Amino acid sequence: DVKVTQSSRYLVKRTGEKVFLECVQDMDHENMFWYRQDPGLGLRLIYFSYDVKMKEKGDIPEGYSVSREKKERFSLILESASTNQTSMYLCASSSPGGQPQHFGDGTRLSIL
Amino acid sequence: RKEVEQDPGPFNVPEGATVAFNCTYSNSASQSFFWYRQDCRKEPKLLMSVYSSGNEDGRFTAQLNRASQYISLLIRDSKLSDSATYLCVVKEGGRAGKSTFGDGTTLTVKP
Repeated sequence: DVKVTQSSRYLVKRTGEKVFLECVQDMDHENMFWYRQDPGLGLRLIYFSYDVKMKEKGDIPEGYSVSREKKERFSLILESASTNQTSMYLCASSSPGGQPQHFGDGTRLSIL
Repeated sequence: RKEVEQDPGPFNVPEGATVAFNCTYSNSASQSFFWYRQDCRKEPKLLMSVYSSGNEDGRFTAQLNRASQYISLLIRDSKLSDSATYLCVVKEGGRAGKSTFGDGTTLTVKP
């Protein structure tokens, strides 16, 4: 089974802090993704990566950056956390082509 | 107009009922199609892929109509444990394979 592991299930941070969310997958997948999910807004893609050191903006990249130094790890960074970034953050990975994405458990992030 | 549209529901059905969910997509170049299930406050989990010829997995049947850009999921003999939100997912071809998720259809199965 594919295992996607997110570093924290719950996280509370303060406005203005730099926040790191980590994601690790064990299936040697080329593609990795970061989403946020909010009630009534569905899943929204923040950033994705299709190779080490490669990154592409998703639909809502503002206020976020990412890092992919190793194939198995994809980090999401909130440069200066704001209250409107309180959300559920989901990491996913997949092989290229027609393969489905597999998700981590999610991180519920609260910015106070 | 959203790229992937689903009826949000909620669908409230009794145990044992048959229920069908529909999904339409706008990108005619979409290559792969999936149904995911998401329980409250949990991550989406792959339920099944959707193939052009239609496919079945136990009580679940998925259909794809490329000409109409339409996907469906049929659940027979509903169980209480089927209560969840069902997400339709459409994936582009190519290296990155970006996926677009519908907002989901909520199903509640009642005793």
